[in-house]
Amino acid sequence: GPKVLQIPSHQIIDMGQMVTLNCDPVSNHLYFYWYKQILGQQMEFLVNFYNGKVMEKSKLFKDQFSVERPDGSYFTLKIQPTALEDSAVYFCASSLGAGDTQYFGPGTRLLVL
Amino acid sequence: QQKVQQSPESLTVSEGAMASLNCTFSDGTSNNFRWYRQHSAKGLEVLVSIFSDGEKEEGRFTAHLNRANLHVSLHIREPQPSDSAVYLCAVRTGGNNKLTFGQGTVLSVIP
Repeated sequence: GPKVLQIPSHQIIDMGQMVTLNCDPVSNHLYFYWYKQILGQQMEFLVNFYNGKVMEKSKLFKDQFSVERPDGSYFTLKIQPTALEDSAVYFCASSLGAGDTQYFGPGTRLLVL
Repeated sequence: QQKVQQSPESLTVSEGAMASLNCTFSDGTSNNFRWYRQHSAKGLEVLVSIFSDGEKEEGRFTAHLNRANLHVSLHIREPQPSDSAVYLCAVRTGGNNKLTFGQGTVLSVIP
């Protein structure tokens, strides 16, 4: 099936630093999503993004989080500054249309020390 | 707020025996239900999507939806050891394609 890539697969950073997680979505998809999964817990929706704008965000999407997709390149999630509770696996997804199937990447494992 | 619960937490079946997984949701206005599976360190693989009450089959995977009972199930016919993975139920509510996931069922298929 369609492939979503995420870079890097693992990231370890010190608390307070900035981190950018990169997602290479399916080439013709227009809608993009980030989900967060803390170890041992359910995957939870963070944000979705279309046409350069955030469509909906959850309470987990703190002010320190931002997303963008400049000029059709990577869809990125930036956290600045990071906190210990940001340690989790972050999954990117994309879909062709607003209600279509979301295809997920393998996740980026973020550890904040 | 939507709550999605899966059962059982883990399931072991013999190769060739039917595997049945359950998912309940709390919001009766939910309009789209998907089953994904996740092999270790890989992305989620979509198995079957269902939008209306009844049954939807995709190969060996069949989803059953009963909206009145707030229940959707997944049945895997003739499971193989390569089907061993975490199975996730995902429920969509509203128009922004936001998915609420269950906690997953760990399926082990033994030869």
